[in-house]
Amino acid sequence: QSVLTQPPSVSEAPRQRVTISCSGRSSNIGNNAVSWYQQLPGKAPKLLIYDDDVLPSGVSDRFSGSKSGTSASLAISGLQSEDEADYYCAAWDDSLNGPVFGGGTKLTVL
Amino acid sequence: QVQLQESGPGLVKPSETLSLTCTVSGGSISSYYWSWIRQPPGKGLEWIGYIYYSGSTNYNPSLKSRVTISVDTSKNQFSLKLSSVTAADTAVYYCARVPSVYDNRGYYDYYVDHWGQGTLVTVSS
Repeated sequence: QSVLTQPPSVSEAPRQRVTISCSGRSSNIGNNAVSWYQQLPGKAPKLLIYDDDVLPSGVSDRFSGSKSGTSASLAISGLQSEDEADYYCAAWDDSLNGPVFGGGTKLTVL
Repeated sequence: QVQLQESGPGLVKPSETLSLTCTVSGGSISSYYWSWIRQPPGKGLEWIGYIYYSGSTNYNPSLKSRVTISVDTSKNQFSLKLSSVTAADTAVYYCARVPSVYDNRGYYDYYVDHWGQGTLVTVSS
């Protein structure tokens, strides 16, 4: 069982917008920054968002991150078939004294 | 462009030590943190630990008694050793670059900006 809770799967039609939630506690999301990663099948994860809502250079602005209290969200707008992947959130946990990951969310573009 | 490449045996016997090396190219190993993260087949990501280029380390408490991460700045490499492995240690092991752990604005901001391609290590006799 992961420290950060994500829905196992989400699905949406092409060109629509989807959000993926990530729920935690004050010891992790509530106190520290959240990052998000995209993992295409058979590939290494790729950084999408860091510091809650910052897009790294080269990442499409269709991706955005937000945080409120002990929950964070990743939004993907203008869905494309190539967005089908697993998405993971992560944050430092003060109790663990290290980073923790969510269990991952599989996105299906219908 | 920074690239990371894991190397090491793909098969390790139970009770033995798993050893992997990550070679960093296209950039210096200095001034960053370097992490190992693993992913059991079909499952999520698990942080193993990280090392600063100067040599200070931080390990996942659940693995701490079995893990050693070291760095060789002269070779631009860092390494992972995991002792007394069992089938539960079978996973894809990723090496990763961590630009930041703690933000001077007063909170932790750990994130990975570059990942190796990953290497599958199977624990089996």
